[in-house]
Amino acid sequence: SQTIHQWPATLVQPVGSPLSLECTVEGTSNPNLYWYRQAAGRGLQLLFYSVGIGQISSEVPQNLSASRPQDRQFILSSKKLLLSDSGFYLCAWSSDLPYGYTFGSGTRLTVV
Amino acid sequence: RKEVEQDPGPFNVPEGATVAFNCTYSNSASQSFFWYRQDCRKEPKLLMSVYSSGNEDGRFTAQLNRASQYISLLIRDSKLSDSATYLCVVKGGTASKLTFGTGTRLQVTL
Repeated sequence: SQTIHQWPATLVQPVGSPLSLECTVEGTSNPNLYWYRQAAGRGLQLLFYSVGIGQISSEVPQNLSASRPQDRQFILSSKKLLLSDSGFYLCAWSSDLPYGYTFGSGTRLTVV
Repeated sequence: RKEVEQDPGPFNVPEGATVAFNCTYSNSASQSFFWYRQDCRKEPKLLMSVYSSGNEDGRFTAQLNRASQYISLLIRDSKLSDSATYLCVVKGGTASKLTFGTGTRLQVTL
C-alpha cells in the first residue's frame, strides 16, 4: 500500500532563517506531488505541484521554492523565512486516475 | 468569484440530527468531486467521492448536479464524532490539481 511521510511535525523558526521540509511517498511510482499551505482559519492554498523529477510548477508568487530530486521525494524550501510564512504545510500525492489526494500529516510552522 | 464556495458555518446540531452542506464550483470542466473531512489541527482525509448518480456511504450521502455546478453532502443521525470541518473539493486541469473550498465547520452536541 502507498504511504506518505512528512517531517518535521512542528517547527519554530526565526525570521530570516532557512527552511527545508521534506516529503516522501512509498508504494507507488511517478506520483503527482503537491505542497499546500493552510494559514490559520483559512482554506488550503496550492503552492507547488510536480508531475515528475525536476518538474516543478508554482501556483503563487512567494518566498518559497520546491524541488523534486527523486521520483518520490518532494522538498519545500526557503532561503529566508518571513512572518507571513507561518502556517500548516501539507504534502500530498495522487495518481492521474480520478481519485483524490492522500495527504501527509503536515508540518506546523511558526515563524517568530 | 471563488473556484469552490462553501458556507463556512459553523453548523451546530444536536446528536441524531440530519445536516446538509452545499457547495458550488465555477469551472464547468471540472472532472472529479470529493468531500474531505479535516479534524482540528490535522490533515484533510478523504470522506467520499461524489458521483453524478449520487452515492451513499452509511450515514453519508453525496450528490452532484453538473448542470448547476452544485455538490451536496447529507449526514444523517449525526454523531459527536462527526464534529469536524468538511471540505468540498474539485479536481481537474493540469496535473489533476485539487481545488479546495474553505470548509464548513460542523459541531455536533449532546
